[in-house]
Amino acid sequence: DAGVIQSPRHEVTEMGQEVTLRCKPISGHNSLFWYRQTMMRGLELLIYFNNNVPIDDSGMPEDRFSAKMPNASFSTLKIQPSEPRDSAVYFCASSLGGNSYEQYFGPGTRLTVT
Amino acid sequence: SQQGEEDPQALSIQEGENATMNCSYKTSINNLQWYRQNSGRGLVHLILIRSNEREKHSGRLRVTLDTSKKSSSLLITASRAADTASYFCATVPPSNTGNQFYFGTGTSLTVIP
Repeated sequence: DAGVIQSPRHEVTEMGQEVTLRCKPISGHNSLFWYRQTMMRGLELLIYFNNNVPIDDSGMPEDRFSAKMPNASFSTLKIQPSEPRDSAVYFCASSLGGNSYEQYFGPGTRLTVT
Repeated sequence: SQQGEEDPQALSIQEGENATMNCSYKTSINNLQWYRQNSGRGLVHLILIRSNEREKHSGRLRVTLDTSKKSSSLLITASRAADTASYFCATVPPSNTGNQFYFGTGTSLTVIP
């Protein structure tokens, strides 16, 4: 398996622009997670899905952030409009779910908002 | 908050020495896991220890768990330069409905060749 795939790996955009981050989880995994990592705040869970259904989005910072999982093999995290404080590395992770709790992380998307 | 806290925040040792990192957490858990993150990369799962286990080994890694003290330690024996990375503990609560994780703040380990 190729592991969790994220795209793009790097994104530089101007404040106010819409940003869409993409994730393909490991095939057969039932849970998907979006995290944000910064030096100041560490690793924060933004939202997670079970069987494509959002379970907890309490970590989403504000309404500018939205996430979707239209099917088992694809998820997006959208920021509209983007702000400089959104600059961070965004990770997607997946797990089998159930009694299997190990999470497998993608390589991350480094977002810079100028 | 369930978030774990690692101690120390940074650790620098000579190659061949042992490295010990600690994690403290606040509420009950189903299991606790340790992850490694190399610079510029995603996290990689190292080892999982369940709440009814006290010690677990995997290669040069040894993890202990003390649920009465709500703490865990990760020991890396005979460290190598390639072990240089950040190490995070993650806790999973008992009433978990979706494998939700709470990551700690991490320990940055530097192994000097």
